[in-house]
Amino acid sequence: QSVLTQPPSASGTPGQGVTISCSGSSSDIGSNTVSWYQQLPGTAPKLLIYSNNQRPSGVPDRFSGSKSGTSASLAISGLQSEDEADYCCAAWDDTLNGLVFGGGTKLTVL
Amino acid sequence: VQLQESGPGLVKPSETLSLTCTVSGYSISSGYYWDWIRQPPGKGLEWIGSISHSGNTYYNPSLKSRVTISVDTSKNQFSLKLSSVAAADTAVYYCARETILSRGVDYWGQGTLVTVSS
Repeated sequence: QSVLTQPPSASGTPGQGVTISCSGSSSDIGSNTVSWYQQLPGTAPKLLIYSNNQRPSGVPDRFSGSKSGTSASLAISGLQSEDEADYCCAAWDDTLNGLVFGGGTKLTVL
Repeated sequence: VQLQESGPGLVKPSETLSLTCTVSGYSISSGYYWDWIRQPPGKGLEWIGSISHSGNTYYNPSLKSRVTISVDTSKNQFSLKLSSVAAADTAVYYCARETILSRGVDYWGQGTLVTVSS
């Protein structure tokens, strides 16, 4: 069972927007920054968002992140078919003294 | 920056899993944390542990008694040993680079599937 809680699935149609949530606690999201990863089938995860809302070079601005208290969200606007993937959140946990992940959300573009 | 895992794809129960990550394009001794992360088939990611450029180690409490991560700066490699493996340790194992300030994992290896079976 993952430390951070995400919905198992989400969906949207091309051009629409979708938001994926990530819920944690005071020792992880509440105390540290959140990162988000995109994992296409059969490939390694790719960093999408770091420090709650920062995009690495090359990540489209259709992807945005936010954090409030012990929860975080990943928003994707203008959905494209290539966005169909698993999305996972992560944060450092001060109690466990380690990196914790969400269980992942499978995004389907209908 | 590129990372590449290497090691046996099949390990017998109760034995020790050993993997090495070779880093190119960046010197391990220059900074960052260097992580091992695994993903059981059809499941989410699990952080195993990390080692700093100076050799300090940090382990997942649930695996700490069985895990050793070490670094060989002369070869620009870091390694994972997981002892007393069982079927539940079957997973794709990734090596990765973790940034110090944000703890974001910005570079990943392609992953290697390790199956625990007799």
